[in-house]
Amino acid sequence: GAVVSQHPSWVICKSGTSVKIECRSLDFQATTMFWYRQFPKQSLMLMATSNEGSKATYEQGVEKDKFLINHASLTLSTLTVTSAHPEDSSFYICSATDRAVYEQYFGPGTRLTVT
Amino acid sequence: TQLLEQSPQFLSIQEGENLTVYCNSSSVFSSLQWYRQEPGEGPVLLVTVVTGGEVKKLKRLTFQFGDARKDSSLHITAAQPGDTGLYLCAGAPSGNQFYFGTGTSLTVIP
Repeated sequence: GAVVSQHPSWVICKSGTSVKIECRSLDFQATTMFWYRQFPKQSLMLMATSNEGSKATYEQGVEKDKFLINHASLTLSTLTVTSAHPEDSSFYICSATDRAVYEQYFGPGTRLTVT
Repeated sequence: TQLLEQSPQFLSIQEGENLTVYCNSSSVFSSLQWYRQEPGEGPVLLVTVVTGGEVKKLKRLTFQFGDARKDSSLHITAAQPGDTGLYLCAGAPSGNQFYFGTGTSLTVIP
C-alpha cells in the first residue's frame, strides 16, 4: 500500500521559535496533501488542504501566517509552525492522495511540544 | 468545523459483546470513511462507502451508509481486546477533502 512518512516524529521547542514538519509520499505522487491537528483524546481537525504548486487553502479559524504550508513537489509538503507557543502543542498529522481516488494515506504523525 | 457527530463518545465493553457506533450529520456526503486510530499513530482506513444504503462487511465489522448519505454506522460483533482504539468516521461533502467526526473511544476488556 501507499506509504506516507513524517519527520520528525516528535519535537520539543521553546516558545517563540519556529518548527518545520515534513510530510512525504514515498511511493506515489501526491497531488493533494492535507494537514490535521489532534489534541489528546479528541478527533482530527482539518487545518488546510494543499495542492502541488499552488497556495494552500486554510480552514476557517486557522491562521495562515502562523501555519505556513508549502507543497513544492508531488512528494513533499511542509508545515511550519511560526513563533510557536505552548497552545500550539499538539499531534500534527498529514495525509496524501493521488488523482481521482477517495482514499487518503496518513502519515504516522508528529508530536509537537512547545515549552 | 465538525460536521459529523459520533455516539457514543466513550464505550467500554466486555470481550465477546456486540456494539454499534453511530456517525450522524445534517450534511450530505459524497463518500464516507471509517478509521481506527491507536495512541501516537496516524489513523488507519477501515472502509470507504459511497452509495446510499450501502453495506460493507470486514470480518466482524459491518458498516452501513444511510440511504440519504447523511449518516453511517459501524457494528462490531464479538468484540476482542484487539479492537480497542479510537474509531473515527470522516465524510467528504465532495471530492476528497474529508472532515472527521468527533470520535468514539472503544475499550474492550478481556
